[in-house]
Amino acid sequence: GAGVSQTPSNKVTEKGKYVELRCDPISGHTALYWYRQSLGQGPEFLIYFQGTGAADDSGLPNDRFFAVRPEGSVSTLKIQRTERGDSAVYLCASSLAGNNEQFFGPGTRLTVL
Amino acid sequence: KQEVTQIPAALSVPEGENLVLNCSFTDSAIYNLQWFRQDPGKGLTSLLLIQSSQREQTSGRLNASLDKSSGRSTLYIAASQPGDSATYLCAVEAAGNKLTFGGGTRVLVKP
Repeated sequence: GAGVSQTPSNKVTEKGKYVELRCDPISGHTALYWYRQSLGQGPEFLIYFQGTGAADDSGLPNDRFFAVRPEGSVSTLKIQRTERGDSAVYLCASSLAGNNEQFFGPGTRLTVL
Repeated sequence: KQEVTQIPAALSVPEGENLVLNCSFTDSAIYNLQWFRQDPGKGLTSLLLIQSSQREQTSGRLNASLDKSSGRSTLYIAASQPGDSATYLCAVEAAGNKLTFGGGTRVLVKP
């Protein structure tokens, strides 16, 4: 079956602009996660959804970052007033429920000029 | 706060040699540990998941062990091939369902 998909695969924007990154999880997976990976490092947790609600958003770096999952499937990560330091690969993962194997999408590479 | 360390950061071996990748974590209260493979510019591919109650998992040429009490896991790849060249990441899942990742080990298998 289809895996986790993310769009766009690449996004280049200018400092100060607003961006949205989309994640389509595996069908039937109730848990969805966003991570951020800087060059040469392991991914870092941003936010975890169980169903429609954000169960843990402790990894969001500041209030410029926000994520939604209104119908418990597709999720959108929103970044306001982008900064150069936001440049990274944003990874989405899903699992059947919490504490299960997580399956990752290909990521969105965000470059802020 | 959980911290995950992977040593070495990079490894280069001739084809056919066995690979041994190490992962250590500071808090033993974990639900599971996952090993991932990441090719350049790509996402993460799950290789093995070890539940906290298990000691090891095997898949083909891959074997991963878990010693929760000492906070260690080892990934063994037998008879390495050039196609095994990639970055290998370990991650632990604790309370809260989020994964905490190590920095990865970059592996190069020379033909």
